[in-house]
Amino acid sequence: QITLKESGPTLVKPTQTLTLTCTFSGFSLTTSGMGVGWVRQPPGQALEWLALIYWNDVEYYNPSLKTRLTITKDTSKNQVVLTMTNMDPVDTATYYCAHRLSVAATFDFWGQGTLIFVSS
Amino acid sequence: QSALTQPASVSGSPGQSITISCTGTSSDIGGYNYVSWYQQYPGKAPKLMIYEVSNRPLEVSNRFSGSKSGNTASLSISGLQAEDEADYYCSSYTSTTTVVFGGGTRLTVV
Repeated sequence: QITLKESGPTLVKPTQTLTLTCTFSGFSLTTSGMGVGWVRQPPGQALEWLALIYWNDVEYYNPSLKTRLTITKDTSKNQVVLTMTNMDPVDTATYYCAHRLSVAATFDFWGQGTLIFVSS
Repeated sequence: QSALTQPASVSGSPGQSITISCTGTSSDIGGYNYVSWYQQYPGKAPKLMIYEVSNRPLEVSNRFSGSKSGNTASLSISGLQAEDEADYYCSSYTSTTTVVFGGGTRLTVV
């Protein structure tokens, strides 16, 4: 059974860097075809894909946010970390991590999400 | 990166069938059979309902089905039930950015 859980601060100040950790179980990021992605959703708005990392260390980023994002993995801890620099109030959102199956190009399992507020 | 285009809302009565459309381009929906659909209840995480255009995860009811024609994908729900009232998002693989989502559709069961 695949599970994922996001963790990080609830509140960040404008211009600060956000660091989010996704801790997962039920699969390994050393297995071919496995990936983990991040998706966010501002209150009352649509889903927005942020970043993706695969078992083979290939990374993908949303072009509109690429300069602010870094995604890394720690296979020994079963964790994926997303950092987003220069946070702004418009970045207030629920941030989800999700398991990505490269063969089907889909997010089949999702974490519960973590709500991040950006405010001074 | 342009989001896929979905109607903001659709509605139907219990027992009826509805269809939600999702329009993209030849760089995403039209070019690949990698369309997914997600169901989301308020305050909850999205749930995968359809992948690879028309495949259903085992736990998803067969009342849900997916299809594609050209640059437009569709999610159909038959025998509408009150529990189907939720937001639905389409997503596609894209040659330009890997992942793109639609703007979401609010389904109301009246």
